Amino acid sequence: DTEVTQTPKHLVMGMTNKKSLKCEQHMGHRAMYWYKQKAKKPPELMFVYSYEKLSINESVPSRFSPECPNSSLLNLHLHALQPEDSALYLCASSQGPAAGQGNNEQYFGPGTRLTVT
Amino acid sequence: DQQVKQNSPSLSVQEGRISILNCDYTNSMFDYFLWYKKYPAEGPTFLISISSIKDKNEDGRFTVFLNKSAKHLSLHIVPSQPGDSAVYFCAASTFVRGSTLGRLYFGRGTQLTVWP
Repeated sequence: DTEVTQTPKHLVMGMTNKKSLKCEQHMGHRAMYWYKQKAKKPPELMFVYSYEKLSINESVPSRFSPECPNSSLLNLHLHALQPEDSALYLCASSQGPAAGQGNNEQYFGPGTRLTVT
Repeated sequence: DQQVKQNSPSLSVQEGRISILNCDYTNSMFDYFLWYKKYPAEGPTFLISISSIKDKNEDGRFTVFLNKSAKHLSLHIVPSQPGDSAVYFCAASTFVRGSTLGRLYFGRGTQLTVWP
């Protein structure tokens, strides 16, 4: 089973709203990732969690707040977003966070299509 | 600064023929390379990978070739099928500076269209 699930599939929110994106994997992976993808662009790394601890924050604005409640779950809390934050938000997981070999085979969820109005 | 480059934004191939997708990279520290396929409104799907110690990896209709001296890799799909029509992303992995963590760097993708 190489499935990563994400909810909701679509989300429309106003600039003053607070919402959360959820991601779940049951592959026993110890690294989880949030990416943002705009149309016709590659995925951009936002955060990396390694063994449930935040390991990498790619200078993401504080209006995006990640959380890893346990080894299977990853959340992304959204607050006071801007219209330019509208994008496809992808969650991914990999066996381990260390570089090299199969650890870097990341498995992606279907994404949440976020629209900020 | 794009460390992984896919210089062809699109490729059109007839069904049954070979599709060759190319990828170039600049960072000699990359040690693992991956190809992902992405359909519209879906997340990328892992397709095939290759370690820097190999020059070829094959999985069914998909073969990835790595030329380290040229910093070039390619994905061959034989025979191509209409269902292969998707965006293909090349990705490369290396250490995050100052840590043992790895991260992926993606190319911009190539839209493959396989026509009957």
